[in-house]
Amino acid sequence: NAGVMQNPRHLVRRRGQEARLRCSPMKGHSHVYWYRQLPEEGLKFMVYLQKENIIDESGMPKERFSAEFPKEGPSILRIQQVVRGDSAAYFCASSGGAGSVYEQYFGPGTRLTVT
Amino acid sequence: GENVEQHPSTLSVQEGDSAVIKCTYSDSASNYFPWYKQELGKRPQLIIDIRSNVGEKKDQRIAVTLNKTAKHFSLHITETQPEDSAVYFCAARDYKLTFGKGTLLTVNP
Repeated sequence: NAGVMQNPRHLVRRRGQEARLRCSPMKGHSHVYWYRQLPEEGLKFMVYLQKENIIDESGMPKERFSAEFPKEGPSILRIQQVVRGDSAAYFCASSGGAGSVYEQYFGPGTRLTVT
Repeated sequence: GENVEQHPSTLSVQEGDSAVIKCTYSDSASNYFPWYKQELGKRPQLIIDIRSNVGEKKDQRIAVTLNKTAKHFSLHITETQPEDSAVYFCAARDYKLTFGKGTLLTVNP
């Protein structure tokens, strides 16, 4: 039973480039959440998606950031024109399915470094 | 929106002692309170959770208590072991998780 998968695990981008982060939820889960973690800080909510729908994007910066969860394939968090302040660990979590919509299980994260 | 405060930020105990981490939340609509353990460079792992209709829940050496009136909940770890050393995060949920800033627990052998 595969858990939440994220790739890549590490991503290095130069300022101004695009970063594309992927998340495959646990089998049977239909809810995906993205969180950002800065060094030695807690996790900050960014966006909550269900298949083909953005439910809540209140934690996501209005510019340069976008997220999707298509009918087929992984959820994508896209950061355009990255800046040094975007360097962080990005975690996705999933919930739902036969268990509970409450319990969120996290992927291993993508560590983004902007040089 | 929801605001979660977590204390202490660091906690050092001797192996075999108990550890207690406390959190408060602000939004009375929050109805689910999980605790996550995160080791350095790893993903947060759900270790225990409690829903708002329950006052206490226990799983082996770990217990969580919830006081809805006072809007606070606590994590209790008994008989601590060195492998319990990690950062622990509390969270509160209406439908999305709001996390506390974490507690670095160090268990000294």
